[in-house]
Amino acid sequence: AQKITQTQPGMFVQEKEAVTLDCTYDTSDPSYGLFWYKQPSSGEMIFLIYQGSYDQQNATEGRYSLNFQKARKSANLVISASQLGDSAMYFCAMREVTVQGGSEKLVFGKGTKLTVNP
Amino acid sequence: DGGITQSPKYLFRKEGQNVTLSCEQNLNHDAMYWYRQDPGQGLRLIYYSQIVNDFQKGDIAEGYSVSREKKESFPLTVTSAQKNPTAFYLCASRNRGRNSPLHFGNGTRLTVT
Repeated sequence: AQKITQTQPGMFVQEKEAVTLDCTYDTSDPSYGLFWYKQPSSGEMIFLIYQGSYDQQNATEGRYSLNFQKARKSANLVISASQLGDSAMYFCAMREVTVQGGSEKLVFGKGTKLTVNP
Repeated sequence: DGGITQSPKYLFRKEGQNVTLSCEQNLNHDAMYWYRQDPGQGLRLIYYSQIVNDFQKGDIAEGYSVSREKKESFPLTVTSAQKNPTAFYLCASRNRGRNSPLHFGNGTRLTVT
């Protein structure tokens, strides 16, 4: 079963407008973490923001914020005042602890391609 | 500057040959990971290692092998048993701690013909 679901293969937004990228997750672990990454066409993966399951406040980092709705198991990324340089793939990921040995790994969604139009 | 180095950036091989992708980090991270990225598939975990001389299979380990003889190094070998080896391969490392993100290298694009 897919643990991280990003339902929007592609999104378009006008420059200077806000955009929300959706992410839903599935876990029975009460302690988990959610990460968002940006991947420009160059291929590098850039960490944007983190939300812990026990965090009381929604995470914010500059123009990025997380709309974390625990009961709905969603962690949507909000980008305010979009810029042309925001055009990229965006991935949501969840930290997962394996049953054997307590190893930690990150599981990724399939991503959303964001295009910012001038 | 601390970071993760993957080399080479582009790699071409003939079908039937084994090939090893290099990954070196100087971030002093214990955990290291290999992901494969195909168009429309997102990132899929191949192998990961929490400490030296120990590693675990990820979701798509078949046809791949790794070693972790040093903390700084986590090479990935794509063997001839891997049926569809052409892909973009990303190496990452991570510090201990719940909120620690993955730090990625710039990737190696492998093409097998």
